[in-house]
Amino acid sequence: EPEVTQTPSHQVTQMGQEVILRCVPISNHLYFYWYRQILGQKVEFLVSFYNNEISEKSEIFDDQFSVERPDGSNFTLKIRSTKLEDSAMYFCASSDGGLAVYEQYFGPGTRLTVT
Amino acid sequence: SQQGEEDPQALSIQEGENATMNCSYKTSINNLQWYRQNSGRGLVHLILIRSNEREKHSGRLRVTLDTSKKSSSLLITASRAADTASYFCATEEEYGNKLVFGAGTILRVKS
Repeated sequence: EPEVTQTPSHQVTQMGQEVILRCVPISNHLYFYWYRQILGQKVEFLVSFYNNEISEKSEIFDDQFSVERPDGSNFTLKIRSTKLEDSAMYFCASSDGGLAVYEQYFGPGTRLTVT
Repeated sequence: SQQGEEDPQALSIQEGENATMNCSYKTSINNLQWYRQNSGRGLVHLILIRSNEREKHSGRLRVTLDTSKKSSSLLITASRAADTASYFCATEEEYGNKLVFGAGTILRVKS
């Protein structure tokens, strides 16, 4: 069964460093998302991406964040200068379409620890 | 913005019993989705119910949706120890496709 994959599973970085989190969405899906979950808190939406551009983003997704689909399979989240409060589990998700009737399938997550 | 809020926050039952979790939200939605998360792991999609549906079944799962009360319930029948996990409801807004998650219900099934 097709699934969303994410690498790395765990990333440790120092404050101020740049990190890139990678995702391979399900191959025929058109919509891609990033969410995050700070330990013990709710899963929060960061950004959605369709047709090579951001379709929606949250207040969390400020200028320090960017997303890219560099090729036909990968979808990346870059944090330019990490802060301690960026420590969280980051989930990538994809869906077949975006108009009300499609499930979002999540990857296993990347645990980002900023020290 | 809308929120899905689950209750109870935690539920402990014996294997074989049924588990019911509830979710409330605040605004109009396109659909509501339930997810399971094992400790520290990813989110597994369980079931999606559209705003024009009232009930949906999938194996041992039964989901109801009452849009007039802005609430949903997830029933797991004949629970198993392997059902131990956190369960989240997530609503998709009427306009846009981001999911808004609730805080989740921690279910523990004792064998």
